Amino acid sequence: ETGVTQTPRHLVMGMTNKKSLKCEQHLGHNAMYWYKQSAKKPLELMFVYSLEERVENNSVPSRFSPECPNSSHLFLHLHTLQPEDSALYLCASSPRTGSYEQYFGPGTRLTVT
Amino acid sequence: EDQVTQSPEALRLQEGESSSLNCSYTVSGLRGLFWYRQDPGKGPEFLFTLYSAGEEKEKERLKATLTKKESFLHITAPKPEDSATYLCAVQDYGGSQGNLIFGKGTKLSVKP
Repeated sequence: ETGVTQTPRHLVMGMTNKKSLKCEQHLGHNAMYWYKQSAKKPLELMFVYSLEERVENNSVPSRFSPECPNSSHLFLHLHTLQPEDSALYLCASSPRTGSYEQYFGPGTRLTVT
Repeated sequence: EDQVTQSPEALRLQEGESSSLNCSYTVSGLRGLFWYRQDPGKGPEFLFTLYSAGEEKEKERLKATLTKKESFLHITAPKPEDSATYLCAVQDYGGSQGNLIFGKGTKLSVKP
């Protein structure tokens, strides 16, 4: 077990739907991350939060909206997605940002129809 | 521009047949290099962190080494349960906080 949980594990949504992904870490870490993993592509960093403040936003479309209410919880709100947004969305945490290993959750497999 | 290249893309081994995976990187200044293992349908599992050339780390049948331009993950006498995709990632001193740059991975299959 990694100490990072994600729900739901699988999600199918239409392009007009609104849904949210949830991540929770039980490791006492202060930094949390959202990644996108598509087939045949490297993991892509989407957002970084440090002590609940967003410190990185890698040119992600506004249809993805992150929220970090406290250092243990991270959400990714989704609306009006496109079929090309279908991917595995991974949450990770680390003690702090910087040269620390990141621990990943199991991911949410998202399919946009 | 930072870049991480892993080779081969896929590797098939017989049980007990040792081999190595390669991760070559280009960064302005290496803050750290990370190896992860990923099983199908799961998130990456942390294996090793290497910080400076010449550093080595071991865990069971795995040994990671680092030079100024590349890292190797050596697998000694692999077993079928070592089958997974192995990911390499780097952090650059010149990059943004927490920004891990990943390679595409090497998919390892070990046949009994």
